[in-house]
Amino acid sequence: DIQMTQSPSTLSASVGDTVTITCRTSQNIISWLAWYQQKPGKAPKLLIYKASTLQSGVPSRFSGSGSGTEFTLTISSLQPDDFATYYCQQYNSNYPWTFGQGTKVEIK
Amino acid sequence: QAQLVESGGGVVQPGGSLRLSCAASGFTFNRYAMNWVRQSPRKGLEWVAFIRYDGGTEKYADSVKGRFTISRDNSKNTVYLQMNSLRLEDTAVYFCAKDTTQLWDHDAFDMWGQGTVVTVSS
Repeated sequence: DIQMTQSPSTLSASVGDTVTITCRTSQNIISWLAWYQQKPGKAPKLLIYKASTLQSGVPSRFSGSGSGTEFTLTISSLQPDDFATYYCQQYNSNYPWTFGQGTKVEIK
Repeated sequence: QAQLVESGGGVVQPGGSLRLSCAASGFTFNRYAMNWVRQSPRKGLEWVAFIRYDGGTEKYADSVKGRFTISRDNSKNTVYLQMNSLRLEDTAVYFCAKDTTQLWDHDAFDMWGQGTVVTVSS
């Protein structure tokens, strides 16, 4: 199975900050990586797929980059609605698909 | 608007069975693969099972293989998860999730249900 290492596990930031979350995979997954946002009691929401493609309706302050085994999610000018937990997920053609452990973005 | 609505969760004893359902609406169901994903405090988000848009291929996580069965009825726009031989560690919120791209077989999940809680307890 492909292992996911997401960091940091917690991130404290202020409104207006730019934050970056990193996801590393144990094998080359080309660009088969997604980023999700989850708020308490809710389902995850897709933000980015194919490593860098912004899902329809998602604000442009969210961006993704990377390929192979190292990927990043960047949130520019953090807004109050962005305080949540973020997960990466690989969906390479080989099953099983796996998720990172999550990064909680907290208010500093 | 497009949505997924799960049902069928509940409390069950170890070794018992449950059948989850996920009713889809607002999109062409038979053109999209579907998945079940579960979430627990102990294991986080865990992909459980996949079924191709036509039901022709099923895939499972090793942790549920041989115990869980995913199926779909495209005439009813519904995907199911039959869970047998339930264990304490199957306790979780179970979500159904839709693939982003039609007629594809490995994809991000662009639509999720609200989740249904499964508790395995003696």
